[in-house]
Amino acid sequence: QVQLVQSGAEVKEPGASVKVSCKASGYTFTNYAIHWVRQAPGQRLEWMGWINAGTGNTKYSQKCQGRVTITRDTSASTAYMELSCLTSEDTAMYYCARHHTGDYSVVFDVWGQGTMVTVSS
Amino acid sequence: DIQMTQSPSSLSASVGDRVTITCRASQGVSNYLAWFQQKPGKAPKSLIYAASSLQSGVPSKFSGSGSGTDYTLTISSLQPEDFATYYCQQYDGYPYTFGQGTKLEIK
Repeated sequence: QVQLVQSGAEVKEPGASVKVSCKASGYTFTNYAIHWVRQAPGQRLEWMGWINAGTGNTKYSQKCQGRVTITRDTSASTAYMELSCLTSEDTAMYYCARHHTGDYSVVFDVWGQGTMVTVSS
Repeated sequence: DIQMTQSPSSLSASVGDRVTITCRASQGVSNYLAWFQQKPGKAPKSLIYAASSLQSGVPSKFSGSGSGTDYTLTISSLQPEDFATYYCQQYDGYPYTFGQGTKLEIK
């Protein structure tokens, strides 16, 4: 079945970087974009950016620009989100979600299970 | 950024009730409006996209409507599994933004 499976929980020190993976299965990876959304404890969802898995084009939120890098490996049907210069404010659950590039209206129909990133000294 | 404001922020209802949640955007979003359901410790689940289109596999008790800046999610005949937090999201402009959530609780 269609699914996105993310890598496991991470604990990082302030100033470090974290790289989270999102492996797709059950569909043609390059027909979709992969978005990254995070949710700090008790907070609303926050969009971070996306990558068109077919072209490799990316778009980032201004808030994250400069610290976030989204990449993909089409041979592995996997997208990655790397966040650098971590602070305690980056402690959150990180989700990937897909978005059909051929039909823009169909957004985030499948989500990963989430990866908890904790930033603590 | 487009600000998304949901009302109410919390809602108490009984099994069998029909409820409506409202989402208002700070500017028109051209029906690029989605609704998600989230249960504690789980990833969001897509319910509605393009303001009123039901995501595949989602029961027809969920419906969306609206245009311009004002959108609604209606859930009919509430069942115990429907008690969760609901979020709206606009994807008309970058950055995509979400509402603050509406927590639906059992009365």
